[in-house]
Amino acid sequence: GQNIDQPTEMTATEGAIVQINCTYQTSGFNGLFWYQQHAGEAPTFLSYNVLDGLEEKGRFSSFLSRSKGYSYLLLKELQMKDSASYLCAVKSNYQLIWGAGTKLIIKP
Amino acid sequence: GAVVSQHPSRVICKSGTSVKIECRSLDFQATTMFWYRQFPKQSLMLMATSNEGSKATYEQGVEKDKFLINHASLTLSTLTVTSAHPEDSSFYICSYRLKQETQYFGPGTRLLVL
Repeated sequence: GQNIDQPTEMTATEGAIVQINCTYQTSGFNGLFWYQQHAGEAPTFLSYNVLDGLEEKGRFSSFLSRSKGYSYLLLKELQMKDSASYLCAVKSNYQLIWGAGTKLIIKP
Repeated sequence: GAVVSQHPSRVICKSGTSVKIECRSLDFQATTMFWYRQFPKQSLMLMATSNEGSKATYEQGVEKDKFLINHASLTLSTLTVTSAHPEDSSFYICSYRLKQETQYFGPGTRLLVL
């Protein structure tokens, strides 16, 4: 079967760093995406990893290890506006398989 | 760039009526687009994949006669929920696929069937 696991909810403090993990077991792998979704809104694209390693983009970084079926999204210098759900999605055999999302709560 | 619009943003309808949702790409053209449904506190569920000028490919469990998709051009696609029922109440989101499989989403349409 195809499966993507993410923590349901995480809490962090404004200004701190948080790491959101995603593990996957899929029949194929053609890339992994991270999306941000604010409540009541559609997802917005954050990052795309297809090779192992760390991709840095401003305050957000995404890491991929294909051998371990593992990725994480790292958010630095957290701001209140970062409170949202973060969705991990894996492209497998030309299909995009979505995780259930991690709700991130930022506290002052 | 890569702006996608959806209309309407919210709709309330009576059970048994049909609702049409429009999805437009405003500043680009793309052959392939997707329709998703999202229930509260759940992830996105792919309903169908649509290529311009072709019939849509529906996911297992999604009734093609109930959810009519018309992908008439490279910038416009419509989803019609026919004979809507309360269980069809959901957040419907369209997206267009561009380079590297990146998808750009519309803002979503919240449907409430009474």
